[in-house]
Amino acid sequence: ETGVTQTPRHLVMGMTNKKSLKCEQHLGHNAMYWYKQSAKKPLELMFVYNFKEQTENNSVPSRFSPECPNSSHLFLHLHTLQPEDSALYLCASSQDLGRSNYGYTFGSGTRLTVV
Amino acid sequence: GQNIDQPTEMTATEGAIVQINCTYQTSGFNGLFWYQQHAGEAPTFLSYNVLDGLEEKGRFSSFLSRSKGYSYLLLKELQMKDSASYLCAVRIGNTGKLIFGQGTTLQVKP
Repeated sequence: ETGVTQTPRHLVMGMTNKKSLKCEQHLGHNAMYWYKQSAKKPLELMFVYNFKEQTENNSVPSRFSPECPNSSHLFLHLHTLQPEDSALYLCASSQDLGRSNYGYTFGSGTRLTVV
Repeated sequence: GQNIDQPTEMTATEGAIVQINCTYQTSGFNGLFWYQQHAGEAPTFLSYNVLDGLEEKGRFSSFLSRSKGYSYLLLKELQMKDSASYLCAVRIGNTGKLIFGQGTTLQVKP
């Protein structure tokens, strides 16, 4: 397996549920990211991890809780979400935070629907 | 604040040339990226500019003017498979942050 893999591809959850999104990269990159993509809106950065340490939290509500156990794996734990949280959640990785000429490699995303 | 503007939609004809513009107002500029995203798929890297000028890669070229806060993506010999969204993104310093524009949806017609 190569690239960035996200699971599940689709998720429907109720507002009282707890679920987790998983991301795994096989590229040997040191930085990982969560982005949210809503219809008609730009990709919105949520969290940045570098060497498994969080370096950015873009004022994300606490109902989204990231976890990065190592440089290859990233999770996003979800609880008591709202319908407006329905979106495509994209994971990405990069070699470093500022020197790579290739920016990010993205996963295919998890399409989340909150009912 | 950080702001990136692109046209929302464009239409072009198969075999033609199309230019997608991007203007930005950001602090800590450290490179501009273009990505392609087909519906329901991951964004994929197309090009990178950090110095002024033109970068060419096959049918795709990208131009940057840092003094004007302006970039464009040029697609030549358009094919139907080029119908997709094209995302302009600016990297901010050494933070790892990529700030994205809203994307330009390109429709290629026969």
